[in-house]
Amino acid sequence: SQQGEEDPQALSIQEGENATMNCSYKTSINNLQWYRQNSGRGLVHLILIRSNEREKHSGRLRVTLDTSKKSSSLLITASRAADTASYFCASLNAGKSTFGDGTTLTVKP
Amino acid sequence: DGGITQSPKYLFRKEGQNVTLSCEQNLNHDAMYWYRQDPGQGLRLIYYSQIVNDFQKGDIAEGYSVSREKKESFPLTVTSAQKNPTAFYLCASSIDRGRGTGYTFGSGTRLTVV
Repeated sequence: SQQGEEDPQALSIQEGENATMNCSYKTSINNLQWYRQNSGRGLVHLILIRSNEREKHSGRLRVTLDTSKKSSSLLITASRAADTASYFCASLNAGKSTFGDGTTLTVKP
Repeated sequence: DGGITQSPKYLFRKEGQNVTLSCEQNLNHDAMYWYRQDPGQGLRLIYYSQIVNDFQKGDIAEGYSVSREKKESFPLTVTSAQKNPTAFYLCASSIDRGRGTGYTFGSGTRLTVV
């Protein structure tokens, strides 16, 4: 079974709004990564947060990690139409990463 | 430019045939991975290799085989024992087993059984 689960499964917003996606996992982790996938393409690494970190920023991205709740969130601020894609979290444990089913984000211009 | 290359982009297989998907990287990464993605779903780990001449089964290894004879190459064979092979296959690599930098992915191979 998948360790990571994203919520919501789909999200539709207007350009300029913020988008928040959540991820839960089941076991202890070394780190948690977020990836983006455009339709029919490979995944692109966005940001990685280690298990001893609580928050991390990269440009318009903000990631939080709550190890007590085994959850993470990805916030994309001031969204653009080009942010339309699927977003996946992946939790690293014992040398391998386990991916969730993703959140499909649609940003309407 | 450094990167990870998967070929072919599209592959059609007849029932009962084995097919091999290629994955090559020139990033000097030690670790390489194969994932399968079904429509609307996340990635499931098939096999991974953390060093040359060594590999481990992932969560869905049945019906698949791999080899890691060179650091740069990690081919995946989909055997006739894989009952439902139609899927999108993604290869990835990591310099530090994902501990600090995450994975670099190829652009994928879409396999269809005809």
